[in-house]
Amino acid sequence: GQSLEQPSEVTAVEGAIVQINCTYQTSGFYGLSWYQQHDGGAPTFLSYNALDGLEETGRFSSFLSRSDSYGYLLLQELQMKDSASYFCAVKSGSQGNLIFGKGTKLSVKP
Amino acid sequence: DAGVIQSPRHEVTEMGQEVTLRCKPISGHDYLFWYRQTMMRGLELLIYFNNNVPIDDSGMPEDRFSAKMPNASFSTLKIQPSEPRDSAVYFCASRVWGKETQYFGPGTRLLVL
Repeated sequence: GQSLEQPSEVTAVEGAIVQINCTYQTSGFYGLSWYQQHDGGAPTFLSYNALDGLEETGRFSSFLSRSDSYGYLLLQELQMKDSASYFCAVKSGSQGNLIFGKGTKLSVKP
Repeated sequence: DAGVIQSPRHEVTEMGQEVTLRCKPISGHDYLFWYRQTMMRGLELLIYFNNNVPIDDSGMPEDRFSAKMPNASFSTLKIQPSEPRDSAVYFCASRVWGKETQYFGPGTRLLVL
């Protein structure tokens, strides 16, 4: 079977750093993406890792270890607007078809 | 530039009725994906097209579901007949070859009574 595991909920305070982990087991793997979704909204792309290592984009960073089938999203200097659900997604085919995790609901408190 | 456009935004129908969801991808994008999102099952890929050709429909739950892409700027997802368990948010997304970003439309919130 194919599965992605990520925590269902995370709570943090404004200004803090939070890490959302994702482990995966899929029949095909080309890379790991992260998407953000606010309540009632559509998923929006955050990052993509095809190779091992850390990718940084502003306050957000994403890490991948292919040998460990593991990745994480790191959010720094948390802001209230970061309260949302975060999904990891495996690119399981060469044409970009994605398998999504169940999502992690992040709540940022003042 | 306009993003992915979906219609209707909300749909309430009765069990047994036909439902048609519509999607206009971003101009120039050659991949189109249909997803379904529910609390229980999360975000599931139903079917995707490349250059208007269906590539993989293994995620389509039953024969009651069908999707078409008659041209590069339009796709439909049809449910006939609809059932209460089809209630979900249906997203359409598009992507351009060589880029990893999928751009999602605002979704259609479907409620089947």
